[in-house]
Amino acid sequence: DAKTTQPTSMDCAEGRAANLPCNHSTISGNEYVYWYRQIHSQGPQYIIHGLKNNETNEMASLIITEDRKSSTLILPHATLRDTAVYYCIVRVNRDDKIIFGKGTRLHILP
Amino acid sequence: GAVVSQHPSRVICKSGTSVKIECRSLDFQATTMFWYRQFPKKSLMLMATSNEGSKATYEQGVEKDKFLINHASLTLSTLTVTSAHPEDSSFYICSAIFPETNEKLFFGSGTQLSVL
Repeated sequence: DAKTTQPTSMDCAEGRAANLPCNHSTISGNEYVYWYRQIHSQGPQYIIHGLKNNETNEMASLIITEDRKSSTLILPHATLRDTAVYYCIVRVNRDDKIIFGKGTRLHILP
Repeated sequence: GAVVSQHPSRVICKSGTSVKIECRSLDFQATTMFWYRQFPKKSLMLMATSNEGSKATYEQGVEKDKFLINHASLTLSTLTVTSAHPEDSSFYICSAIFPETNEKLFFGSGTQLSVL
């Protein structure tokens, strides 16, 4: 079973920040939080990952709470092309198989 | 550019035939590859973990004789759907871990299999 829970769907206005929450209350100390997204009929795309500290890259920011039981993916300026299913995943190491939850279907509204 | 190349992107076959899907890692060597299947509007379901030079590890409920996985080299893993039936119609996706890329998991573009 997936170790994370996410809202089923969310809407966000184009140009605004999209904040996608994820709960991972049973996360272990050595498990990373990964975010992927899947646009319709394509393979998932890596977005960002982190362990304890907040992370930022050219695509998004990842905010992890101090107790690491939840995190938020932030798309700073959402565009229509960001419409996708976003998956939050926890995993230990490079060989750990990845189990996907149901993800959040993000709709960017024009 | 794509780090994992999956081929074909779409295949239509008759019931009873076998279909082979290839997953190639580009630029890096992949010691571990994963195979997933996905039904419409559903999440990805892990089928098996493929390790180079050894037998694949299948998830519970996945028939190993039905879904043959071969990972003969560090750059190629194949999934063969044997004696395909309409219920095998699905979106199949491979992925690979590259130690050189800071533990990221990269995915292929997927293969849409339709069995008539």
